[in-house]
Amino acid sequence: DAGITQSPRHKVTETGTPVTLRCHQTENHRYMYWYRQDPGHGLRLIHYSYGVKDTDKGEVSDGYSVSRSKTEDFLLTLESATSSQTSVYFCAISDQGVNEKLFFGSGTQLSVL
Amino acid sequence: QKEVEQNSGPLSVPEGAIASLNCTYSDRGSQSFFWYRQYSGKSPELIMFIYSNGDKEDGRFTAQLNKASQYVSLLIRDSQPSDSATYLCAVNSRFGAGSYQLTFGKGTKLSVIP
Repeated sequence: DAGITQSPRHKVTETGTPVTLRCHQTENHRYMYWYRQDPGHGLRLIHYSYGVKDTDKGEVSDGYSVSRSKTEDFLLTLESATSSQTSVYFCAISDQGVNEKLFFGSGTQLSVL
Repeated sequence: QKEVEQNSGPLSVPEGAIASLNCTYSDRGSQSFFWYRQYSGKSPELIMFIYSNGDKEDGRFTAQLNKASQYVSLLIRDSQPSDSATYLCAVNSRFGAGSYQLTFGKGTKLSVIP
């Protein structure tokens, strides 16, 4: 998956707990993205980054925060997980312009009970 | 809210036939158009992109774009059982003032029957 590693691959947590998902890339791509994929909704953008410490909100950013302290790492944090955040989370990277030719990681299945 | 619409399928075609997948979008200012393939339980994989009106061919795949009709399609020639997957259309749409984001359709599930 184009040198993208997501961790963990699977996580089960309880409502109200904080959760951090990690995306690590070895491609030195400038742009990184977090998407969630839910049945009936397709892929939706949560947040994206266009450089170290430079991030912006996506369509479904409420309840999520991100940080990018190094080019290779992009963290997604759920401050207080809710059942509505049960989803598959995909990290993606691109280097030819924002939203151009995304390459996706393997995904993280998150279940919030 | 910018929208990208696809028929959910399933679209069933016999092996060796042409599969035609369609997508319409609402943002007339969109400039970039992508097709991703997603096998069950896997991540999306970019297979085609197109920026200009007309056809773009890559192997068995042809992407077609008609900006006037706000329509983009993907043709798969000589369909193989290994093409069975969900195909996602993605369009670079305006999001707020001065920014663009990829809007994905919900996908069309293709089944190629041997």
